[in-house]
Amino acid sequence: NAGVMQNPRHLVRRRGQEARLRCSPMKGHSHVYWYRQLPEEGLKFMVYLQKENIIDESGMPKERFSAEFPKEGPSILRIQQVVRGDSAAYFCASSALDSSNQPQHFGDGTRLSIL
Amino acid sequence: DQQVKQNSPSLSVQEGRISILNCDYTNSMFDYFLWYKKYPAEGPTFLISISSIKDKNEDGRFTVFLNKSAKHLSLHIVPSQPGDSAVYFCAARDSGGGADGLTFGKGTHLIIQP
Repeated sequence: NAGVMQNPRHLVRRRGQEARLRCSPMKGHSHVYWYRQLPEEGLKFMVYLQKENIIDESGMPKERFSAEFPKEGPSILRIQQVVRGDSAAYFCASSALDSSNQPQHFGDGTRLSIL
Repeated sequence: DQQVKQNSPSLSVQEGRISILNCDYTNSMFDYFLWYKKYPAEGPTFLISISSIKDKNEDGRFTVFLNKSAKHLSLHIVPSQPGDSAVYFCAARDSGGGADGLTFGKGTHLIIQP
C-alpha cells in the first residue's frame, strides 16, 4: 500500500500529557500537510512542510503545537500539555510537487481523545 | 469567516438519478478547486479538481462545473450508485500566495436511496 500512512489510528491522552502523531507520505511525495477536523466541521489547515523545512504554519496554534518533517522518517505533529479542546481527528496529506494544481492525498487520520 | 460554503448538510437521491452537490466561495483569489469524498473513519479521497481557467472538468461519472462570476461550483454524479453514499467536501486553494493548505467546506452528506 503506497498511500499516506498515519499512526496511531486512535490515541487517548490525559490532560497535560503530550500527543505525538506520525505521518508517512505517499512514495515519491515530499510535501506534507496537516489538518484538524472537529465534529461536524470541515478540515482546517494547520501546517505545510517539506523535508526539514516548515513552509507555512499559518493555521497552527501558536502555543503547544509543533510539527517537523526530518530528513529521515515520518512527519510528526506534536501537541504538548493537551487540553480537552484538542480532541479531534488529525489528518495528514501529501503531494508530489508544490501543491499548485496538484491534489493532496490524505491518510485515514488519527483520532485524538483527551480524558 | 467561512470562505468555502456547502449550504446543504445532506442530500438524498434515488439510485440511478443525478446527484448535484453545490459549493460557494467568497475568496476571489481561489484558483484551484477540488472535491473529496469521505467515508466514516477514513480519510478524504480525492475525486476531481478544476482550475479556474476552465469551467468544466469530467471524469467518468463525475463532472465539476465552475462559475467564476457567481463564485460557485458544483459536482454532478450520474448515474448515482449506492457506493456514492458518503460525505462530500468541496475545497479551494489560492495558488498565488495565500496559505498553502486547502480551505474546506463543512461537507454534504449524500445518501443514495435504492
